[in-house]
Parts: sequence; structure tokens; C-alpha cells
Amino acid sequence: AQSVTQPDIHITVSEGASLELRCNYSYGATPYLFWYVQSPGQGLQLLLKYFSGDTLVQGIKGFEAEFKRSQSSFNLRKPSVHWSDAAEYFCAVGVTGGGNKLTFGTGTQLKVEL
Amino acid sequence: NAGVMQNPRHLVRRRGQEARLRCSPMKGHSHVYWYRQLPEEGLKFMVYLQKENIIDESGMPKERFSAEFPKEGPSILRIQQVVRGDSAAYFCASSPDRGRRNEKLFFGSGTQLSVL
Repeated sequence: AQSVTQPDIHITVSEGASLELRCNYSYGATPYLFWYVQSPGQGLQLLLKYFSGDTLVQGIKGFEAEFKRSQSSFNLRKPSVHWSDAAEYFCAVGVTGGGNKLTFGTGTQLKVEL
Repeated sequence: NAGVMQNPRHLVRRRGQEARLRCSPMKGHSHVYWYRQLPEEGLKFMVYLQKENIIDESGMPKERFSAEFPKEGPSILRIQQVVRGDSAAYFCASSPDRGRRNEKLFFGSGTQLSVL
């Protein structure tokens, strides 16, 4: 069965600094990979997704992620963080034939210092 | 176009009571998914329903939990005889079709269930 690991439970960065949130997955084939963001009291919003093709994917709000098969990773990056980016970020994996049944990581809580 | 609506936002129940969580999918969506988020854990898939049918319930606990998505009205996740371990955030998501690539999955804001 597939699994997702987000090793950082909490991350604090200064506004304007760069950000990288780590995500590692375990799956025997090429997975579908997602990053979601959840603001307090809100549902999950899709930031970006990878299905195939270019391993560097661009998302909304200036986020990007890179799929590295050799490292089984799909890290999320942003060159300059804004205070409004403070939220919880979830990495998720879907599999072929799995429909919309996603496996989520435990999340990374991002705090932005002004 | 309203998003996925879940209610109530917060639900408090005493042990042994029943909990009913409602999810109204986005307009035009006929597929509903329920996920549960236990404290300090990621979201875990529970059940996938299409109108009047349960498609995949592989993540549902075998006892006390049930789900339905009737022809008319919202999807209901029902938990009978709740226990403290049921305390969690329950999220609903909807999509217009099964979606081979999960492209059109929209989440609600969740229902926080607290069992006293």
C-alpha cells in the first residue's frame, strides 16, 4: 500500500524567505502526487499536482514542486513566503485506478514571522 | 457556485449518542468522498459514494459507521454509539465524475466531532 511522509511537523520562516516543505512517498509505480493547503476553518485547497511529464510543476500562489523519482520525493517550494501563506500543508498520493481515494501525509504547519 | 458544504461545523456528543454529519456536494457533482482526520494524523479515506450507491467503503470501520448519498439531499455520515476515539475532523469532498486523475476534487471545511 502507498504511504506519504511529511517529516516536518512545524516550520517557521521569515516573510520574504524561501520555503521548502518535504514530502516522501512510498509506492511501487509512478503515483499521482498532490499538495493541498488548509487555512484555519477552511477546507483543503489544491495547490498543485503531478501526474506525468515535466517533473517540475507550477501551482497557484507562486508554489512549485519537483517530482524526484530517485528520491521518492515531491517537495514543495516557494521562493519568497508571504505572511498569508501561514497554514497547514498536506502532501497526498493517488494511485492508478484508485479514483479519488488519496493517501495523505500528516501535514506541515507553516508559521510565517513578520 | 457554492462550494462543498458541510454541517454542522462543530458537533459535540456524549458517549453512546449518535452523530450525523451532512455533506452537500458542489452543484453538478454526483460523487462524494468522506475522509477522517484524527489528531496529529493525516486525512484518511473512509468511503466513496455515488448517488444511491456505495462504491468503495474500504476505509470505513466495520461497526457503528455508515454512509449514504440519497437521490435527493445531502450525503450523511452516521456514527452510532460514539466513543471518545471517534473525536476527529471529518471532511467531505466531491467531484463531478470518478476522475481518473483526481483533477476535480473539492473539499468542504469539515465537521469537528468532539465526544465527551
